[in-house]
Amino acid sequence: EAGVTQFPSHSVIEKGQTVTLRCDPISGHDNLYWYRRVMGKEIKFLLHFVKESKQDESGMPNNRFLAERTGGTYSTLKVQPAELEDSGVYFCASSHPGRAYKNIQYFGAGTRLSVL
Amino acid sequence: RKEVEQDPGPFNVPEGATVAFNCTYSNSASQSFFWYRQDCRKEPKLLMSVYSSGNEDGRFTAQLNRASQYISLLIRDSKLSDSATYLCVVYQAGTALIFGKGTTLSVSS
Repeated sequence: EAGVTQFPSHSVIEKGQTVTLRCDPISGHDNLYWYRRVMGKEIKFLLHFVKESKQDESGMPNNRFLAERTGGTYSTLKVQPAELEDSGVYFCASSHPGRAYKNIQYFGAGTRLSVL
Repeated sequence: RKEVEQDPGPFNVPEGATVAFNCTYSNSASQSFFWYRQDCRKEPKLLMSVYSSGNEDGRFTAQLNRASQYISLLIRDSKLSDSATYLCVVYQAGTALIFGKGTTLSVSS
């Protein structure tokens, strides 16, 4: 079974540019999460999809971040325009709905975003 | 006070040593507790879940003390391959996973 895949693995952009990150969850996983780790800090929650619906987006830092999950399959996270403080590693995770209570989340390897 | 706090580390131990990591959490309504392992520039991977009084998996033992809001991870007979960052993670229904900053373990020969 394929794991959670993220693309690109690394992105270097200039301040003010736009970047789109993609996440393909494990097949059959209705729950999809985005997290971010800023250097020196812990991994922090950004938002949670159940299928194509946003269940919780309380962790999104501001309106420069836009997440979508059309059709309830893969998800994209767009940052527009990017700022220096957006640099970090963006992780995607997915989980099976039947394990919601135990909430075993499987993570992708992350996209390392560098904003210069 | 941070929601999940861990020993800062790093822990540098020889092969065969026993090492213990500690973690405290601030929200008494937290329901599920996990230890994830993360290798350098890789994804966090679930190492163990901790649901009640603790559990054991081979050389790894996780303990939970709800009264003290404290979780621990014990690694016996450390191997070189145990070198990684260990993340203490807490889940409360209706919220997402809450991570500690992680504790780095380095096992040397």
